[in-house]
Parts: sequence; C-alpha cells; structure tokens
Amino acid sequence: DAGVIQSPRHEVTEMGQEVTLRCKPISGHDYLFWYRQTMMRGLELLIYFNNNVPIDDSGMPEDRFSAKMPNASFSTLKIQPSEPRDSAVYFCASSRGGADGYTFGSGTRLTVV
Amino acid sequence: GENVEQHPSTLSVQEGDSAVIKCTYSDSASNYFPWYKQELGKGPQLIIDIRSNVGEKKDQRIAVTLNKTAKHFSLHITETQPEDSAVYFCAAGEGGSQGNLIFGKGTKLSVKP
Repeated sequence: DAGVIQSPRHEVTEMGQEVTLRCKPISGHDYLFWYRQTMMRGLELLIYFNNNVPIDDSGMPEDRFSAKMPNASFSTLKIQPSEPRDSAVYFCASSRGGADGYTFGSGTRLTVV
Repeated sequence: GENVEQHPSTLSVQEGDSAVIKCTYSDSASNYFPWYKQELGKGPQLIIDIRSNVGEKKDQRIAVTLNKTAKHFSLHITETQPEDSAVYFCAAGEGGSQGNLIFGKGTKLSVKP
C-alpha cells in the first residue's frame, strides 16, 4: 500500500489566492482527518470524515476553510482567500476505526506571502 | 473536551542513556493512548500504543506506561541511539469509536553521539 498520499508537498501562494490541498487515504480506511501543524499550536484537528460524511468540523478556523470528501478515495481542503497566518504544514491521516491506528501522509507545507 | 499536556518540550540525552516523556490527559472517557514519532520533513508515524485495560506495554527498546487513576502516561526509550532523535507526540482518544485523537504539543528529543 502506498500509504496516505498528499499533494502538493509544498505550496507557496500570495495572500488572497485560493489554495487547494489534496489527500488520498489508504484504501479501506473509513475515517479521514485533516490536521494543521504549527510551532505555536502543535497538531490541531481541523475536520474529520467517516464514510465520506463530515463528523466534526469544529476545528475549522473560519469560513475561509472548507473541506470535502466526494468519494472514499479523495478529499480536499480549500482555503479561500488565503492569509499569511494560514502558513503551516497540513496533514491528512486515515484510519479504519476512529482514533485507532492513524496513518499520516507526508504533509503539505503551505506558505502564504 | 479532551486536553493533553506533554512534558518536556525538549530533551537532550547522551547515546545509550534512557529518555522519558510524560503526558497527562483530562477526559476519563479516553481509553486509547498512542505515541507518534515525527522525523524532519515527514508525517508522524505510530510507534507504540496502549489501551486503558493495560498498565504497561513494551516493544524492544520502547515502553509505555499508563496510570488511569492519575490520568497520565509515559514513553520510555532505553539505550537511546542517534536515530531516535525526532519529535515525539503523545495522543489520547476513544479507541474504536467515532472519536478522534487529541495530541500533545510534542517533545523534541536529541540523542548526542
């Protein structure tokens, strides 16, 4: 198995632009999680899905952030418009059973200038 | 909701010494406690986990202990090696449910040859 695949690995964009991060979970994993990692706040859960349905999006910082999971093998996290404070590493993780056995992707390092 | 505190934030040891990282959690409903290792430029990787029906678990040079009454758990690494240098995260959650993991802020471990 190729693991959780995220793209792009790095993204540099100008303030105000739309950014889309992509994730392909491990086949057979019913849960998908989006986390944001910064030095100040550590790993923060943004949103998670179970069987493609959003379960908890209370961590999404504001309306500029949105996430979708149109099918079991693909999810997107979109920021529109982006701001410099959105600069962070964004991780996607998937699991078979909720909290058990997360597998993380390699992350997308987002820089908003 | 759950809150996980992790100490210390940085830890430096000599090769061959032991390293101990401690975490506390607040939600008595949490019953699953994994530890993740994150190397530079990579996503966190699960290295060991423990469930609330077990007090201690070992895997070669790594061990975890759990004190449910005090709501704290620890990671012990013996005979440390330079390749153990990384950031280590503890987490807590409700295993096997729709729950998600709440992570500590991380400990940067440096093993000096």
